[in-house]
Amino acid sequence: QLQLQESGPGLVRSSETLSLTCTVSGGSISDSRYYWDWIRQPPGKGLEWIGSIFYSGSTDYNPSLKSRVIMSVDRSKNQFSLRLTSVTAADTALYYCAKHGGHPYWGQGTLVTVPA
Amino acid sequence: NYMLTQPHSVSESPGKTVTISCTRSSGSIASNYVQWFQQRPGSAPTPVIFEDNQRPSGVPDRFSGSIDSSSNSAFLTISGLNTNDEADYYCQSYDSNNWVFGGGTKLAVL
Repeated sequence: QLQLQESGPGLVRSSETLSLTCTVSGGSISDSRYYWDWIRQPPGKGLEWIGSIFYSGSTDYNPSLKSRVIMSVDRSKNQFSLRLTSVTAADTALYYCAKHGGHPYWGQGTLVTVPA
Repeated sequence: NYMLTQPHSVSESPGKTVTISCTRSSGSIASNYVQWFQQRPGSAPTPVIFEDNQRPSGVPDRFSGSIDSSSNSAFLTISGLNTNDEADYYCQSYDSNNWVFGGGTKLAVL
């Protein structure tokens, strides 16, 4: 059973960079059938896709966030990461990592707060 | 770019059947797979349908997914409703390699 676990700081200062890591267990991040994703959910609101990364490192980003997003993959650690630069209070959200391609799997999410 | 539109809320009685719609604004609903996610209060979204009509392991067969080209919509149907089904339900599909989410539907079982 594939499992994904988000980790990273729960508090990020305005204008700084948010950095999160997703650790994958029970499967290989190098599996060419799958893509690895970040999704976020502001408190009380709906879901917003941030971006996807393939094990090779190729990426697709939400056009509305593209200028501030960098995703990367570390195959040796079976992890992938998200960096979101120049954060504001509007970036406060639950951040989820997920896998798609066949059966989807999501992590439990981690709350990141950017104080106004 | 296109949008996925869901009803804001639906309600039904225990034991009954409910269907939640997800309408694509442009392009064919059949062009890209549709997923459905259930989100109970305080919990992460969990998939209940993937690739239009596939159920993840552990999801009861009371949950089913379908698409209808004539209405350009995807549908999530839940039969034998119980109070545990009360949740927000989100549809999701793809636009090129980008994800598109519906706005979510709050299901009340009362």
